[in-house]
Amino acid sequence: DTEVTQTPKHLVMGMTNKKSLKCEQHMGHRAMYWYKQKAKKPPELMFVYSYEKLSINESVPSRFSPECPNSSLLNLHLHALQPEDSALYLCASSQEGRNYGYTFGSGTRLTVV
Amino acid sequence: KQEVTQIPAALSVPEGENLVLNCSFTDSAIYNLQWFRQDPGKGLTSLLLIQSSQREQTSGRLNASLDKSSGRSTLYIAASQPGDSATYLCAVNTGTASKLTFGTGTRLQVTL
Repeated sequence: DTEVTQTPKHLVMGMTNKKSLKCEQHMGHRAMYWYKQKAKKPPELMFVYSYEKLSINESVPSRFSPECPNSSLLNLHLHALQPEDSALYLCASSQEGRNYGYTFGSGTRLTVV
Repeated sequence: KQEVTQIPAALSVPEGENLVLNCSFTDSAIYNLQWFRQDPGKGLTSLLLIQSSQREQTSGRLNASLDKSSGRSTLYIAASQPGDSATYLCAVNTGTASKLTFGTGTRLQVTL
């Protein structure tokens, strides 16, 4: 298995809703990432998990809450989002260390109404 | 702070042409550089990974080169096809943590 699987592919939520994005990989990668991508812009790093521990939080608002329940799963819990949070949310994974490439999922298209 | 720039921002070529996409970065202390392809509204597909000690990598019709000292990489696409139409992103891995910094992207259209 050489894929990163993200669910759901599309999500529409209201500003008072709570929802979660899910990401799964079975490549044995020990580093997992959340990126946010606005239209016609490059992806921007949100969080990095290394060996299931949060190692980088790029000053992301607390309405985004990441969770890494085990080495194969990464969640992003969403609460009280704003319309400007609408974007493509990408999950990625890699081997731990600096010499490895990233594998990205197909993303979740989030719309906040 | 690492900054990554891609030129041109957009490119339209007829089918069959060979083309070059450019990527430049300001901090040459990179660990590796990765080229990705992104179709509209989709995720990123990895094309080529070049380690800092390497000069180039090849995969099929794609060839990527790296000149770390000058802060440049190029992606060469031979005999372009309409199916190559997509946005191409380069990303460099730098810093004390494994962290990718993406370029601004080149939107490629290959016409019949």
